[in-house]
Amino acid sequence: DIQMTQSPLSLSASVGDRVTITCQASQDISNYLNWFQQKPGKAPKLLIYDASNLETGVPSRFSGSGSGTHFTFTISSLQPEDIATYFCHQYDNLPLTFGQGTRLEIK
Amino acid sequence: VPLVQSGAEVKKPGASVRISCKGSRSTFTSFYLHWVRQAPGQGLEWMGFISPTGDSTTYAQKFRDRVIMTRDTPASTVYMELTSLRSDDAAVYYCTASSGYYISDYWGQGTQVTVSS
Repeated sequence: DIQMTQSPLSLSASVGDRVTITCQASQDISNYLNWFQQKPGKAPKLLIYDASNLETGVPSRFSGSGSGTHFTFTISSLQPEDIATYFCHQYDNLPLTFGQGTRLEIK
Repeated sequence: VPLVQSGAEVKKPGASVRISCKGSRSTFTSFYLHWVRQAPGQGLEWMGFISPTGDSTTYAQKFRDRVIMTRDTPASTVYMELTSLRSDDAAVYYCTASSGYYISDYWGQGTQVTVSS
């Protein structure tokens, strides 16, 4: 199974800050990586697909980059509504796997 | 692709639970239906999927002996049955639709399963 290691697992930042989350795959997954946002009590929401493509309707302050084994997710200017948990997800190989999640809080 | 799941369940250890996930008739047969669960305060765990036609399933090894996914195409509904429930099966179970072997942006609202004696 491909292991996805996210860091940090929790993060506290101020409104307007640039926030970066990383996801490391245990083997090469090319660009077969999605990023999701999940708010409490809600289903996850797709933000980034194929590592760097912004899903339709998602604000442009969200971005993703990387390929192979190292991936980065960035919020360019943190907004109060971005408080959530963020997950990476690889789909290069079955079983599909997710990172542990990064809980983002406002400082 | 709106997906509507059945309601919360409370089961005893050793019992089985069957959750339904209903989609729209016009698009349902185009999508793979995956099941993902999330234990309290935990991350996301993929359980498997059923093909658009319902003629094949793929399960995560962890669940292979205990999960059955079926599809009622005329009713635009898929079902996930998990047997021999244990306390660590307590979770929110989500169905999610995509056009392939990946998780996309079409999710049900989730079904809470509680396992308690």
